[in-house]
Amino acid sequence: DQQVKQNSPSLSVQEGRISILNCDYTNSMFDYFLWYKKYPAEGPTFLISISSIKDKNEDGRFTVFLNKSAKHLSLHIVPSQPGDSAVYFCAATTTGTASKLTFGTGTRLQVTL
Amino acid sequence: DTAVSQTPKYLVTQMGNDKSIKCEQNLGHDTMYWYKQDSKKFLKIMFSYNNKELIINETVPNRFSPKSPDKAHLNLHINSLELGDSAVYFCASSHNRAANTGELFFGEGSRLTVL
Repeated sequence: DQQVKQNSPSLSVQEGRISILNCDYTNSMFDYFLWYKKYPAEGPTFLISISSIKDKNEDGRFTVFLNKSAKHLSLHIVPSQPGDSAVYFCAATTTGTASKLTFGTGTRLQVTL
Repeated sequence: DTAVSQTPKYLVTQMGNDKSIKCEQNLGHDTMYWYKQDSKKFLKIMFSYNNKELIINETVPNRFSPKSPDKAHLNLHINSLELGDSAVYFCASSHNRAANTGELFFGEGSRLTVL
């Protein structure tokens, strides 16, 4: 049962343009969402998060949008840079419980020159 | 200075063997985790320890036994290895067991191949 889904396995975007990565979830108990970035041969690193009480969180070039009614979140990167090329994982959890993140399968972003 | 370090990074072994993966964090965190990333790229939690106490055990076969000698270390021992155990195992740590932020710090991963 895949509770967090990233339906696009890969995405290619030109440098300077906007990258939009999407994520859907099915568990209505999830109330905190995170994006992780992973380079080859490295562990995932935390990028940005959002609580279900918000619908947008921004950190520099990265913005996460949450649509609770649609159970959908997206990560916007603008402008995209070659160093952003990585696999991006969406994750969700329920706060107040032991840390248990449910991850999507990731989207590989390639930012081309 | 690596915050969460795992050894070994690569491990190739035969079915039926027993192997261990070690993890250490120097971040002063109270909580540590083992996640498994299988061939389909799913990252799934296996175990979590808070101050040496087991707090999450996600229906993992009992061939897998985590051990936390202190809060900076969480080792994973696997008995009677099977082909399906081939995966990348990630250790992680965090400040807080309550998952208020869910921000985990991951190690680089240990790729286990069972032949």
